[in-house]
Amino acid sequence: AQSVSQHNHHVILSEAASLELGCNYSYGGTVNLFWYVQYPGQHLQLLLKYFSGDPLVKGIKGFEAEFIKSKFSFNLRKPSVQWSDTAEYFCAVNAGRGSTLGRLYFGRGTQLTVWP
Amino acid sequence: GAVVSQHPSRVICKSGTSVKIECRSLDFQATTMFWYRQFPKQSLMLMATSNEGSKATYEQGVEKDKFLINHASLTLSTLTVTSAHPEDSSFYICSARDQATGGLTEAFFGQGTRLTVV
Repeated sequence: AQSVSQHNHHVILSEAASLELGCNYSYGGTVNLFWYVQYPGQHLQLLLKYFSGDPLVKGIKGFEAEFIKSKFSFNLRKPSVQWSDTAEYFCAVNAGRGSTLGRLYFGRGTQLTVWP
Repeated sequence: GAVVSQHPSRVICKSGTSVKIECRSLDFQATTMFWYRQFPKQSLMLMATSNEGSKATYEQGVEKDKFLINHASLTLSTLTVTSAHPEDSSFYICSARDQATGGLTEAFFGQGTRLTVV
């Protein structure tokens, strides 16, 4: 079975600091990778996704992630965080095809708190 | 992006009763929907894959007689928690994938249902 590890459970930063959230997965085949964000009281929203091609993926709100196949990693980065980035961030992996493409395995999440 | 709606957003029920949660894709058709469960401070755990017109596929360790899934149309899947007990209290989230967009698309999530069994 696939598993997803997020190393940081709670990250606290000041505004304008740089962010990197780690995500590693265990699956030897082709994967699709996602980062979702959950703002307080809201549903999950997609930040970015990787299916194929350029391993450096740019998402919304200035976030980006790099897929490093040799390290089974898909770390999320943002050069300068804002107070509004305070949220829970989830890394997710899918190795399905066709109808199972939405079948995701999630990491346990990282709570990001940004102080103004 | 596409919209997935869950109803109700919160429900409190007595132990031993059953609760039905609906998941609707509002502006697209979904042959496949997914049900997740999220415990406090923990990740989302995939419970089952709901397939329109056929039986759901349950993940290992999920009781299919406890969590009944019905996907009767291309826009609606329901999860019924039968004979609910306090340990079933959790946050249940559904997601759906737009079948019209082909292979390379993500699933969209509903806002979740907070179930409390007393």
